Amino acid sequence: KQEVTQIPAALSVPEGENLVLNCSFTDSAIYNLQWFRQDPGKGLTSLLLIQSSQREQTSGRLNASLDKSSGRSTLYIAASQPGDSATYLCAVNAGNNRKLIWGLGTSLAVNP
Amino acid sequence: KAGVTQTPRYLIKTRGQQVTLSCSPISGHRSVSWYQQTPGQGLQFLFEYFSETQRNKGNFPGRFSGRQFSNSRSEMNVSTLELGDSALYLCASSRSGQGTYEQYFGPGTRLTVT
Repeated sequence: KQEVTQIPAALSVPEGENLVLNCSFTDSAIYNLQWFRQDPGKGLTSLLLIQSSQREQTSGRLNASLDKSSGRSTLYIAASQPGDSATYLCAVNAGNNRKLIWGLGTSLAVNP
Repeated sequence: KAGVTQTPRYLIKTRGQQVTLSCSPISGHRSVSWYQQTPGQGLQFLFEYFSETQRNKGNFPGRFSGRQFSNSRSEMNVSTLELGDSALYLCASSRSGQGTYEQYFGPGTRLTVT
């Protein structure tokens, strides 16, 4: 059974710092992995999607990597800003029915 | 183009009642998935509809049901509400099956059961 874990559960950093959020999954047989952002009281915004054949994806200050063999993905945020404060979730697309399996998220606070 | 919309945004119901939530996907998207989000369990998959057919189903009791209309709009129904059904219900649309393409989420419906 696929399980997704995100560490740390919460993170507080000063503005301008580079940071890494971690996501691990137990079954390496995945189709893709997505990183989402959720702001309080709002839905989820897709940040990056990495196909199983890819090693990384970049969008602006965000870079996500995928290592299927070790069951890990990282989301790198460069030069963090207060506007980056949100909960970041990773979701793995795995299994025959291709439903998304979610981590519980990392709550990020970037302090000015 | 317009994003995914969900109505209502907030809902308060009492135990034993039933509730219907609505989701309108992005134009051209034929897949709609529903999720329940609670602080303790995180996001859990309820079901997915594609071209008016339920294609995938999560591990929820039969009190949770849904349907999709010919215009891809979807509704989710919960009967005989329990306190534990209090949650944020999110729907997401995508061009095809969930996970194959990026999913776009609505703002959610916050359901409180008293």
